[in-house]
Amino acid sequence: KAGVTQTPRYLIKTRGQQVTLSCSPISGHRSVSWYQQTPGQGLQFLFEYFSETQRNKGNFPGRFSGRQFSNSRSEMNVSTLELGDSALYLCASSFGQGYEKLFFGSGTQLSVL
Amino acid sequence: DQQVKQNSPSLSVQEGRISILNCDYTNSMFDYFLWYKKYPAEGPTFLISISSIKDKNEDGRFTVFLNKSAKHLSLHIVPSQPGDSAVYFCAAPAPNNAGNMLTFGGGTRLMVKP
Repeated sequence: KAGVTQTPRYLIKTRGQQVTLSCSPISGHRSVSWYQQTPGQGLQFLFEYFSETQRNKGNFPGRFSGRQFSNSRSEMNVSTLELGDSALYLCASSFGQGYEKLFFGSGTQLSVL
Repeated sequence: DQQVKQNSPSLSVQEGRISILNCDYTNSMFDYFLWYKKYPAEGPTFLISISSIKDKNEDGRFTVFLNKSAKHLSLHIVPSQPGDSAVYFCAAPAPNNAGNMLTFGGGTRLMVKP
């Protein structure tokens, strides 16, 4: 069974640009969550999508948005990039029922110059 | 407001000895906890979990202890192996939430020396 796939693996952008990251969950998983990891901050929850609907949202500005498609694949978008957006963005999938362990992808390392 | 804290950013242990990683939380509504392990350039992988109705859960070399009155949990690894060198995160799902919104601690980097 294929794991969670995130593309691209690395990205370099400049301030003010926008970026779109992609996540393909494990087959059969309907929940996709996004997390931001920065040094010293651990993993910060961005949002979760379940059956194409945003089910939860973390404390991030509106520049961060996401969506989920009917095949459960998800994208997240960051507009007007800031230097502080440089981070590892991790996607995780699960069946979406209650307290389950999440299966994480390897992440997209975003550098904003 | 960090509801889940890991106060030790790093820990160094000799191979074969016990590793103890600690985690504190402030939200008394948390009723389930998970530990994840992360190697560089990889996503976190689930390690072990514990429900608040238990005070201990064991899986091979890994044991998690929960002290609800102290709002503290710990992960014990016995014996520690060099392959255990990684960053360990404790996490808790948001209470009364239908989804998978996890609050993570800042992580502890474990280094097991041969």
